[in-house]
Amino acid sequence: DIQMTQSPSSLSASVGDRVTITCRASQGIDGYLHWYQQKPGEAPKLLIYAASSLARGVPSRFSGGGSGTDFALTINSLQPEDLATYFCQQSSSTPRTFGQGTKVEIK
Amino acid sequence: QVQLQESGPGLVKPSQTLSLICAVSGASITRDGFSWNWIRQSPGKGLEWIGYIFYSGRAYSIPSLKSRLTISLDTSKNLVFLNLTSVTAADTATYYCAREGGYSSLNVWGPGTTVIVSS
Repeated sequence: DIQMTQSPSSLSASVGDRVTITCRASQGIDGYLHWYQQKPGEAPKLLIYAASSLARGVPSRFSGGGSGTDFALTINSLQPEDLATYFCQQSSSTPRTFGQGTKVEIK
Repeated sequence: QVQLQESGPGLVKPSQTLSLICAVSGASITRDGFSWNWIRQSPGKGLEWIGYIFYSGRAYSIPSLKSRLTISLDTSKNLVFLNLTSVTAADTATYYCAREGGYSSLNVWGPGTTVIVSS
């Protein structure tokens, strides 16, 4: 199985800050890396697919990048509504696997 | 607009079978190229992908659940099923169904259904 490791596990930032979350795969996954946002009490929602493509309706302050084994999610100008846990997930092989999540809090 | 809605018993006794339904609306589950996935999240924990099924019937379950988990379809009713036998407290979780679409991302999710295993 491909292991997905996210860092940090949590962070606290101020409104307007730029926030970066990283995700590392235990082996190469090409571009089959996706990011999800899960707000408290809600189901996860797709944010970024194929490493860098913004899902429909997602604000442009979210962006993704990376290839191979190392990927990142960036939130430019953090907003109060971005309070959530963010998960990466690979779909390069089965079983699909998720990172452990990064909880983003607002200072 | 594709929508998914999970339903289930809420409470299941240990050793019994957990049966969940995912009702799909706005799209046919027989459409080629999509898989229908189950993901679970134990209280306060991360997401665990547990399996999927394609319209063709090809299905996969994670090894740790393989002997207990069955994922199936009812194409006439546009339903996806999860059956998990011999449940224990470790199976207590919110269960989500999701469609795997472009680039194999999980692009549509249901709201989830919470299952508690307790006597």
